[in-house]
Amino acid sequence: GAGVSQSPSNKVTEKGKDVELRCDPISGHTALYWYRQRLGQGLEFLIYFQGNSAPDKSGLPSDRFSAERTGESVSTLTIQRTQQEDSAVYLCASSLGTGVVYEQYFGPGTRLTVT
Amino acid sequence: QKEVEQNSGPLSVPEGAIASLNCTYSDRVSQSFFWYRQYSGKSPELIMSIYSNGDKEDGRFTAQLNKASQYVSLLIRDSQPSDSATYLCAVGGSYIPTFGRGTSLIVHP
Repeated sequence: GAGVSQSPSNKVTEKGKDVELRCDPISGHTALYWYRQRLGQGLEFLIYFQGNSAPDKSGLPSDRFSAERTGESVSTLTIQRTQQEDSAVYLCASSLGTGVVYEQYFGPGTRLTVT
Repeated sequence: QKEVEQNSGPLSVPEGAIASLNCTYSDRVSQSFFWYRQYSGKSPELIMSIYSNGDKEDGRFTAQLNKASQYVSLLIRDSQPSDSATYLCAVGGSYIPTFGRGTSLIVHP
């Protein structure tokens, strides 16, 4: 079946501009995660959605970052007034989200470059 | 603060050898353990999950879990150059797993 998809695959933006990144999870997956991975670094958790519950935003680095998800479908991550330190690959993952079994399946990522 | 520790490597093994990757974690109540493979420039790919003490085998991969000692390992038998990648350990007791920084594996011909 179809995996997690993300768009765009690459985004180059000027410092100070807003960007919107999109994630389409695997159909039927109620849980959705956003991560950031800077070059040569590990995964940095940003935000978690589970069904219609309030999202866990504990990983968002600043109020310039926000994310939305409608039901159990598409999610968008918005970064306002981008800074050069926002340059990274933004990864989305989804999982069935039942019990403690949450094998995550990652999308291909969006590579964001802020100039 | 939940921590997952991995040796960053690189771990270099000859083709055909067994590669052993290790991971320790701090949260004693962790219940789910995962290994992901990440090729350079690509996203992580799930290769193994393990939930109970002992060994779990899948093809050339074996995951080993010891909750008393708080470690989980991944063995790759008959290593191939195509196994060269970074291997991420992820541990979870809640719905948000904690990832290690990864171990770089290099399999040389």
